[in-house]
Amino acid sequence: QVTLKESGPVLVKPTETLTLTCTVSGFSLSNARMGVSWIRQPPGKALEWLAHIFSNDEKSYSTSLKSRLTISKDTSKSQVVLTMTNMDPVDTATYYCARIAAAGDWFDPWGQGTLVTVSS
Amino acid sequence: DIQMTQSPSSVSASVGDRVTITCRASQGISSWLAWYQQKPGKAPKLLIYAASSLQSGVPSRFSGSGSGTDFTLTISSLQPEDFATYYCQQANTLITFGGGTKVEIK
Repeated sequence: QVTLKESGPVLVKPTETLTLTCTVSGFSLSNARMGVSWIRQPPGKALEWLAHIFSNDEKSYSTSLKSRLTISKDTSKSQVVLTMTNMDPVDTATYYCARIAAAGDWFDPWGQGTLVTVSS
Repeated sequence: DIQMTQSPSSVSASVGDRVTITCRASQGISSWLAWYQQKPGKAPKLLIYAASSLQSGVPSRFSGSGSGTDFTLTISSLQPEDFATYYCQQANTLITFGGGTKVEIK
């Protein structure tokens, strides 16, 4: 059974750096064409893709957030880490990680999500 | 960036109704489109990929069509468990989601 679980702080202060970890099970981050994405959703709003990383270490970032994001993976720990710098209250959202399908950049399954609030 | 525009933003329907949601891309995306269902407090669930392929385990009342810039998600006979918000997502160039369509009880 494939599962993903997000972990990280529930509260960060403005200007701080957010670090989120996605721990996966049921598949290996070293398998060919295997990838994980981060997606967020502000309360009551739509989904927003942030970044993804593949088994060959290929990475892509949202155009609007690229300067603030870094994605990396630790295959031995089955973890994908996202850092977002200079956090602002508008970054308050539920952050999800999701597996990228082998045949196309669709997301299945998703983690349960973790709510991050940015406030002083 | 490719913009994805969903319509309507919300729809009121009754059990048994046929519901159609549309998604328009700002430029051609071939068939690189997926549809998701999201219920309150839950993560999205993949319904349709490659514009018209039904994800394993998804009921056959869900179907997708379209290519290029115009796509539709159809629920042939709405069931109580289908009241949710639906999102389209393009995967032609990076990733973009639509703004969502909330299917509400009439």
